[in-house]
Amino acid sequence: ILNVEQSPQSLHVQEGDSTNFTCSFPSSNFYALHWYRWETAKSPEALFVMTLNGDEKKKGRISATLNTKEGYSYLYIKGSQPEDSATYLCASTSGYALNFGKGTSLLVTP
Amino acid sequence: DGGITQSPKYLFRKEGQNVTLSCEQNLNHDAMYWYRQDPGQGLRLIYYSQIVNDFQKGDIAEGYSVSREKKESFPLTVTSAQKNPTAFYLCASTPRGSLNPGELFFGEGSRLTVL
Repeated sequence: ILNVEQSPQSLHVQEGDSTNFTCSFPSSNFYALHWYRWETAKSPEALFVMTLNGDEKKKGRISATLNTKEGYSYLYIKGSQPEDSATYLCASTSGYALNFGKGTSLLVTP
Repeated sequence: DGGITQSPKYLFRKEGQNVTLSCEQNLNHDAMYWYRQDPGQGLRLIYYSQIVNDFQKGDIAEGYSVSREKKESFPLTVTSAQKNPTAFYLCASTPRGSLNPGELFFGEGSRLTVL
C-alpha cells in the first residue's frame, strides 16, 4: 500500500486569508497526482491532475504545484472565501487505481 | 444528466446479513471503483474493474464481493464475513482503465450502519 500523507489535518482561516496544504507521496513508480475538493453532502470533485515534474496548474484562486523527484505537491488558495470550506483530498496513481491521503479539512469563516 | 448514482444513500443492516450497494453510471466509462471511508482515514480501495466482466481486489477486499456484468453497473456486496462493515462507501469511475486512469468521477456515497 502506497503512503500518501497530507498536512495539516485541519485548518481554520479567516475570509481573505491565503493558505496552502501539503501532500507527500512515494516518488517511485509515479504516474499522476490528483487533488479533489469534497464539500459536505456532495461528491468529491477533481481540481487538478498533474503528471510532470514542475507542473503548475491554476483554477481561479486555487493553484497547485508538483515535485515528482522529492514526492510532494502544494495546493494554494488565494484570498479564501467561505465557499472554499471543504475537505481537500490528494491522491497518487502508481497503478490502476488511486491511493488517497486522509485529507485536509478547511474551514473559512467570514 | 450524466453521472454516477449510488443507492441507497443510507442503509441499516443486522449483523450476519449480506447487503448490496448499487452503483450505476451513464458516462460510458470503462473503469469503476469502490472506496471505503472511515473516520480519520483516507479513502481505501475495495475493488476496481477496468472493463466489463473483469475486476480486481483492492487493498481491503476481504468480506466484499463485486460483479461487472454490464458496463454501467458495478454493485458491491458487503458480506457477513466483513468484520467491521459500518462505513461510508464511495463509487467512482474513469473513462479508461489504465496505469494512469485520469480524473475520477464520484457518486454521492452510501452510508452503511450495522446494528
